[in-house]
Amino acid sequence: DAGVTQSPTHLIKTRGQQVTLRCSPKSGHDTVSWYQQALGQGPQFIFQYYEEEERQRGNFPDRFSGHQFPNYSSELNVNALLLGDSALYLCASSWTGGRTEAFFGQGTRLTVV
Amino acid sequence: GESVGLHLPTLSVQEGDNSIINCAYSNSASDYFIWYKQESGKGPQFIIDIRSNMDKRQGQRVTVLLNKTVKHLSLQIAATQPGDSAVYLCAEMLKTSYDKVIFGPGTSLSVIP
Repeated sequence: DAGVTQSPTHLIKTRGQQVTLRCSPKSGHDTVSWYQQALGQGPQFIFQYYEEEERQRGNFPDRFSGHQFPNYSSELNVNALLLGDSALYLCASSWTGGRTEAFFGQGTRLTVV
Repeated sequence: GESVGLHLPTLSVQEGDNSIINCAYSNSASDYFIWYKQESGKGPQFIIDIRSNMDKRQGQRVTVLLNKTVKHLSLQIAATQPGDSAVYLCAEMLKTSYDKVIFGPGTSLSVIP
């Protein structure tokens, strides 16, 4: 079992551009959550996808959007990038029926210049 | 509002000593608590969890204590080793959410050989 995999691992974008990050959940998991982690801080919840729909959302602007595919994989899209969007973006997967811990991927380090 | 915070942002311990990392949470509705270990450049890794109907749970070299009266969570690491050096994140899961994890800022543990 490969666990949660994210791509790419690192990314550099220019302010104003758009970016797409990808996540494949752990086998058997049906729920994907995305987090933003700024340097020296704990992860902040962006949103969660279940059954291909956004089920919950944190305090992030509409520039942040996502998608979940039938195979449970997910994408995080960020439009009109700002310097402040530079962070580690983490994907976590879980099984809604189990109420157990979420498993995290290694993250995508996004740098906006 | 919802928040999970830590009393100590940094902790240095001698190799072989026991470590205690503390965490305060503010939402009495939370029913599930998790400790994660995050090494530099990596995603959070599950260490141990505890449900609100328990006050203590032991794992391998780790123990989590939950005091619901004062909304306090702690992680004890026995015989701390250099490999334990990392940021430790406490997190809570809300009853009204589906696997939405709320993180605190983290405590950086440094083990002195």
